[in-house]
Amino acid sequence: EAQVTQNPRYLITVTGKKLTVTCSQNMNHEYMSWYRQDPGLGLRQIYYSMNVEVTDKGDVPEGYKVSRKEKRNFPLILESPSPNQTSLYFCASKWGSSYNEQFFGPGTRLTVL
Amino acid sequence: AQKVTQAQTEISVVEKEDVTLDCVYETRDTTYYLFWYKQPPSGELVFLIRRNSFDEQNEISGRYSWNFQKSTSSFNFTITASQVVDSAVYFCALSYSGNTPLVFGKGTRLSVIA
Repeated sequence: EAQVTQNPRYLITVTGKKLTVTCSQNMNHEYMSWYRQDPGLGLRQIYYSMNVEVTDKGDVPEGYKVSRKEKRNFPLILESPSPNQTSLYFCASKWGSSYNEQFFGPGTRLTVL
Repeated sequence: AQKVTQAQTEISVVEKEDVTLDCVYETRDTTYYLFWYKQPPSGELVFLIRRNSFDEQNEISGRYSWNFQKSTSSFNFTITASQVVDSAVYFCALSYSGNTPLVFGKGTRLSVIA
């Protein structure tokens, strides 16, 4: 089944404790991205990657890191999480053209205490 | 600047009513793509439709229809004879030429009451 998977789905952590949210897709998509969803703000892009070893900042990259060492994986790293990073996070992937729709993972709900 | 505005934050209708969700976009590009996504209470994001800037034909899919008008920079979504299962947050989004990010509106929460 074609899908984007994220782990964990739910995470409660404390300020400053490094964490990684994994994202994997099995559709051989070139393009992958991370979004955060907050009430009243919609979805905002954090980082995106157009292909292996190519990453770029989205609208709200501060406090996040990403890497793209393999085509299928695009982990999101929070080196020192803070409470303002409490949010719902989505990973997405698509074929490279802007015409193509993005396929979203199920979401990761992160709470930073 | 690229921007998507969904002015309706929340809409509540009674089952079987028709409802239109508004989407207005801003872009200076002549080539762009518009999308609608649905986010049901379970939380996942489901792709509904894509339109490119050169195709102004309206689209109908069952009870769903979309009206794309370049003259007013709008891409509105109508649900005919709404059902409780249509209750969700609906997002309009814009993508433009090149490998550029998808720009989302803030979403419209639709509640369909039985």
